[in-house]
Amino acid sequence: NAGVTQTPKFQVLKTGQSMTLQCAQDMNHNSMYWYRQDPGMGLRLIYYSASEGTTDKGEVPNGYNVSRLNKREFSLRLESAAPSQTSVYFCASRTLQGSETQYFGPGTRLLVL
Amino acid sequence: SQQGEEDPQALSIQEGENATMNCSYKTSINNLQWYRQNSGRGLVHLILIRSNEREKHSGRLRVTLDTSKKSSSLLITASRAADTASYFCATARNTGGFKTIFGAGTRLFVKA
Repeated sequence: NAGVTQTPKFQVLKTGQSMTLQCAQDMNHNSMYWYRQDPGMGLRLIYYSASEGTTDKGEVPNGYNVSRLNKREFSLRLESAAPSQTSVYFCASRTLQGSETQYFGPGTRLLVL
Repeated sequence: SQQGEEDPQALSIQEGENATMNCSYKTSINNLQWYRQNSGRGLVHLILIRSNEREKHSGRLRVTLDTSKKSSSLLITASRAADTASYFCATARNTGGFKTIFGAGTRLFVKA
């Protein structure tokens, strides 16, 4: 099991460029999440998908869109990147049954110039 | 706004000492979790304590929960250099709910 994988590991964008961050999990989890982590602020929820076919806004959704492509994959898109979106992005997944533990990917470091 | 707030923000101790981190939260919760994050890595789940539990142990970890004070503590006994990491508390408000709110974390440095 690879767990939760994210691509790319690191990306540099210019202001106004677009990109998609990819996330996949092989644990047959129902729920998937996108967070951003900024220094001294912990993790903030951007979007989540409780189950395949559904997505909902989190705490900081502005400037982002998501797609739950299938049960395994949950992508995050920046349509027009801004310097304020410079951050480390984490994807996580969780099963619906019983445990509320989230399993995290290794993160994508994004720098917007 | 952050639901959980950890205290202290940073902690430096010698190997073999105990490390205590505290977490306070604002609203009623269903459970509280602690996660560890090594530098440059994703978060790893350590332990979950439910709102009807007061104390839980896992190896060298001891977690307490005081719902009347809306606070929790994480104790790491006999710390090791490998325990150097950031520790986050996370709260979930509703049974079966999907949102977990993370605090800003405590950075622990264990000196060998």
